[in-house]
Amino acid sequence: QVTLKESGPVLVKPTETLTLTCTVSGFSLSNARMGVSWIRQPPGKALEWLAHIFSNAEKSYSTSLKSRLTISKDLSKSQVVLTITNLDPLDTATYFCARIVRATYPFPANFDSWGQGTLVAVSS
Amino acid sequence: SSELTQDPAVSVALGQTVRMTCQGDSLRSYYASWYQQKPGQAPVLVMYGKDNRPSGIPARFSGSISGNTASLTITGAQAEDEADYYCNSWDTSDKHPLFGGGTKVTVL
Repeated sequence: QVTLKESGPVLVKPTETLTLTCTVSGFSLSNARMGVSWIRQPPGKALEWLAHIFSNAEKSYSTSLKSRLTISKDLSKSQVVLTITNLDPLDTATYFCARIVRATYPFPANFDSWGQGTLVAVSS
Repeated sequence: SSELTQDPAVSVALGQTVRMTCQGDSLRSYYASWYQQKPGQAPVLVMYGKDNRPSGIPARFSGSISGNTASLTITGAQAEDEADYYCNSWDTSDKHPLFGGGTKVTVL
């Protein structure tokens, strides 16, 4: 059974750095077809893809947030970590990690398993 | 970068059929995936590609694509289908995933 679980602080101050951890089980972060993405959802708003990392250390970031994001993984702990710098109240959102599975063109990679999400509030 | 446009909301009578659409230039190159999200829950993949349902997704869900528009249809909508639905595809210019703005489906 594939599971993903997000962890991190509930409240962060503006300008601080947020570190979120996704702990996975039921699949390997070494699997070439599978990776982990971070996706966020501000309250009452749409999903927004942030970043992903695959087994070969291939990383990709949202164009609009690229300068503030870093994604990494720890195979020994089965964890993927996302850091977001210089936080703003607009970063208040539920942050999800999800397994992203590569597909053969013209199928896009899709997110077949999701964590429950963690709500992060940015406020002084 | 590309965009995927969805109607904000649609409603359907119980047992009737509802079709929701997702438009964007990236859909001329890539298929769409669709996710169902109920309040307070994580999204769930309900459709991928032209018309592929993951295991456990009811057959009343179907998908299609034509030109720059992908569609998700629920035939015989049930009360439990009331949710937000998001389409997702691949941004051909920035080379990363892309989500639509979501459609809220209300079952009357």
